[in-house]
Amino acid sequence: SQQGEEDPQALSIQEGENATMNCSYKTSINNLQWYRQNSGRGLVHLILIRSNEREKHSGRLRVTLDTSKKSSSLLITASRAADTASYFCATDRSSNTGKLIFGQGTTLQVKP
Amino acid sequence: DAGITQSPRYKITETGRQVTLMCHQTWSHSYMFWYRQDLGHGLRLIYYSAAADITDKGEVPDGYVVSRSKTENFPLTLESATRSQTSVYFCASRSSRQGNQPQHFGDGTRLSIL
Repeated sequence: SQQGEEDPQALSIQEGENATMNCSYKTSINNLQWYRQNSGRGLVHLILIRSNEREKHSGRLRVTLDTSKKSSSLLITASRAADTASYFCATDRSSNTGKLIFGQGTTLQVKP
Repeated sequence: DAGITQSPRYKITETGRQVTLMCHQTWSHSYMFWYRQDLGHGLRLIYYSAAADITDKGEVPDGYVVSRSKTENFPLTLESATRSQTSVYFCASRSSRQGNQPQHFGDGTRLSIL
C-alpha cells in the first residue's frame, strides 16, 4: 500500500487563487518531498522538507509538515494556468532510507 | 544535453513477447530507479540500483529483469509481457543513497500490451 495519501484527488480553481493539497503518511520519515508532473512528462522535484522542519518556502510554494499528525500540505499562492499539473508527495521513511514512497497525487487545474 | 532519457517513448507489443525499455543518464548518478505509474496506484517502485552491477527489488518486481553494466544505463526488460504490465514506466536517478536528494525523472515510456 502507498505510504502517502493525497487529498483532494482533484482540484479546480481560477487563476490568481491559492491551491492547497494535503498529504498523509503512515510511518515515521526522514523527509517528505513534493513533485510536479505535467501531462505526458516525468516528475519534477519541487521542494523537500526534513522531519525536523515545520515550514518551508520556495517562491510561490509553501510546504508545512506536522509529524505528530503525519501530514503535510503544499500551498501554491497566486496560481497560474501553467501550474496545471499533478502534484505528488513522496516520503523517505526512517525504516527504509533512500526508497521514496509516492502518493497517488492531486490533479490541479487552474483556469485562466 | 545533460539529463535522463528514456526510449522508446511509446511501445505496443503482444502478450508473451520480450520487450526492453532503455534508460540513460548523463550525470553519473549512482542510484537509478524504475517505476510504473498506473491510475489508482500512483508510482510504484519496480527495481533500483545503487551502482553498476548492484540491483535490488522494489515493491513490484515480478515479471521484470534489470541489469546495470554501466553507470549511465539501466535497462528494464519484461521477459514475457502480460496485459497487466500495460503502464507508463519511469526511470529516475539520484546522486546518492540518501533520500534527502531529489530524484530526476525521464519523460516515461508508455507501454501497451495487447
